[in-house]
Amino acid sequence: QKEVEQDPGPLSVPEGAIVSLNCTYSNSAFQYFMWYRQYSRKGPELLMYTYSSGNKEDGRFTAQVDKSSKYISLFIRDSQPSDSATYLCAMRRTGANNLFFGTGTRLTVIP
Amino acid sequence: DAGVIQSPRHEVTEMGQEVTLRCKPISGHDYLFWYRQTMMRGLELLIYFNNNVPIDDSGMPEDRFSAKMPNASFSTLKIQPSEPRDSAVYFCASSSYGTGTYGYTFGSGTRLTVV
Repeated sequence: QKEVEQDPGPLSVPEGAIVSLNCTYSNSAFQYFMWYRQYSRKGPELLMYTYSSGNKEDGRFTAQVDKSSKYISLFIRDSQPSDSATYLCAMRRTGANNLFFGTGTRLTVIP
Repeated sequence: DAGVIQSPRHEVTEMGQEVTLRCKPISGHDYLFWYRQTMMRGLELLIYFNNNVPIDDSGMPEDRFSAKMPNASFSTLKIQPSEPRDSAVYFCASSSYGTGTYGYTFGSGTRLTVV
């Protein structure tokens, strides 16, 4: 079993829809949770990060962490064609600097 | 800051040839990571360095792969001899744990094709 599981999609939604992206994990020691966005033929870029449980909002993006269920989510409101990319979740333990990545979910927002 | 710089952007080589990928991390970052990305396996950590010292190379697939970091501003990943199954996008990333930056900054990657 991989430490981080993510549905690869692809996911296709109309412009303006709410998008929900999810990851599950098996290591209860993970405390830092991140979402990366990767455009085609580019490197991943950090989109959001959260520590431990709870929600964090940044504009149209909301990250949620449920440590009791070992489940994290990224919500995108009012999705735009420019949101079309692959979204990767990542996480790490306290005291460690190596990240464990999901395989990524490819999202397409149709105008 | 120019970000993490990788070269070359694209590399096409014949099976059996030596391939060297290069990375310049962000100045001041004390961690450097090499990843390989494929459709089937996603991002795989190959090796990472802290203050130029290799910390964990358990992800290096075979002895054909080697990585060095001779100074804080330069790292190489070498494959010798290369094989078609090494075809992938190789990313270098750097981070600065001490300043509270929890994420990595990735380079644009090197797309390697071994024919």
